Amino acid sequence: DGGITQSPKYLFRKEGQNVTLSCEQNLNHDAMYWYRQDPGQGLRLIYYSQIVNDFQKGDIAEGYSVSREKKESFPLTVTSAQKNPTAFYLCASRRLAGRPANEQFFGPGTRLTVL
Amino acid sequence: DQQVKQNSPSLSVQEGRISILNCDYTNSMFDYFLWYKKYPAEGPTFLISISSIKDKNEDGRFTVFLNKSAKHLSLHIVPSQPGDSAVYFCAASPHSGGGADGLTFGKGTHLIIQP
Repeated sequence: DGGITQSPKYLFRKEGQNVTLSCEQNLNHDAMYWYRQDPGQGLRLIYYSQIVNDFQKGDIAEGYSVSREKKESFPLTVTSAQKNPTAFYLCASRRLAGRPANEQFFGPGTRLTVL
Repeated sequence: DQQVKQNSPSLSVQEGRISILNCDYTNSMFDYFLWYKKYPAEGPTFLISISSIKDKNEDGRFTVFLNKSAKHLSLHIVPSQPGDSAVYFCAASPHSGGGADGLTFGKGTHLIIQP
């Protein structure tokens, strides 16, 4: 049963604390992505990775960090430097070859609330 | 500076009628477009896509039309069903056949199907 899992579904943290969001995929996809969604807004790209041990900043990378030590895992750390961390975080993945090459599959998301 | 615009935050359509969701883009480098459907607190699910070499793509009740000269695309849902009530996101990519870049999303249109 292939798919993308994100845990936990809901996460609460105190202001000033770092927090790591998990994303795992068993689709054997090459590329993985992190997006953020705020109320009334579209999804905005935080970071992406097309290969193990390599990743690129997206449009809103400040205050976030990622790692890609394994093909199936792409954790996102929300650091205390992120000024407005409360949001809905979505992880996605896709193949880089074949068709449809640009279809990204999304996980169920993690709602992070910073108190 | 929004590169993908969905100017209607919400749309109400009667069950059985046609739903038309619109999307405009400004970046001429975009050549692959996707529509995603999203329920609250869930990840988006892929609906349909279109490459810039086509002007129409159809999949069951869903049809996407692309007008490159106007930088405009639309999603038609016929007939509309209650389960279609969701937020629909238009997304664009500059690489139709490759590249690991993330997608650029519009802010979404909340479609409400009324009985």
